[in-house]
Amino acid sequence: DGGITQSPKYLFRKEGQNVTLSCEQNLNHDAMYWYRQDPGQGLRLIYYSQIVNDFQKGDIAEGYSVSREKKESFPLTVTSAQKNPTAFYLCASRKAGTGNQPQHFGDGTRLSIL
Amino acid sequence: AQKITQTQPGMFVQEKEAVTLDCTYDTSDPSYGLFWYKQPSSGEMIFLIYQGSYDQQNATEGRYSLNFQKARKSANLVISASQLGDSAMYFCAMNIGGATNKLIFGTGTLLAVQP
Repeated sequence: DGGITQSPKYLFRKEGQNVTLSCEQNLNHDAMYWYRQDPGQGLRLIYYSQIVNDFQKGDIAEGYSVSREKKESFPLTVTSAQKNPTAFYLCASRKAGTGNQPQHFGDGTRLSIL
Repeated sequence: AQKITQTQPGMFVQEKEAVTLDCTYDTSDPSYGLFWYKQPSSGEMIFLIYQGSYDQQNATEGRYSLNFQKARKSANLVISASQLGDSAMYFCAMNIGGATNKLIFGTGTLLAVQP
């Protein structure tokens, strides 16, 4: 079955450490997105990518970095510059086309500070 | 400023009854799309229904329908014949940025279906 796989499901970060969250999709979607979810705040866009080797900042990109070397993969690195990284992170992808194409989401990664 | 507002933090509904989840939006762009997603306690986001700003009819998908009132800038989700499995968080989202399909989300409504 096609879908979006996020790993790991749970991740712990030590102070001053960078961690990378994996997102892989086999839906042949062109666009991919990373969101952060905090309690009571809904989802906020971190980064997005429309095509390979290109990506743009979302609303809360500070302290995060991404790469898009392959169509299937869009890893997110949470750097030590992100002072409050504890959150639920969701990756999504979308078929290119008109605005009515929905984003499809992975199961998420829950990141906590040790 | 573009914004989605969901004013109901939580709601209860009896099994087999219908329930309406409210969503209002703010945008000056004449072309936009509105989405509803369901998030069970496991965390994944499940797409439910879509309404385009130029769509003449309200969208329907099985037990889900969207009560779209453009002049009032509201896009309420109606779930008919509620089931225990409908208990979840529900998010309203709006497509901004045209072809990039950036979404902005509301804060969600937690729906609890009671037997």
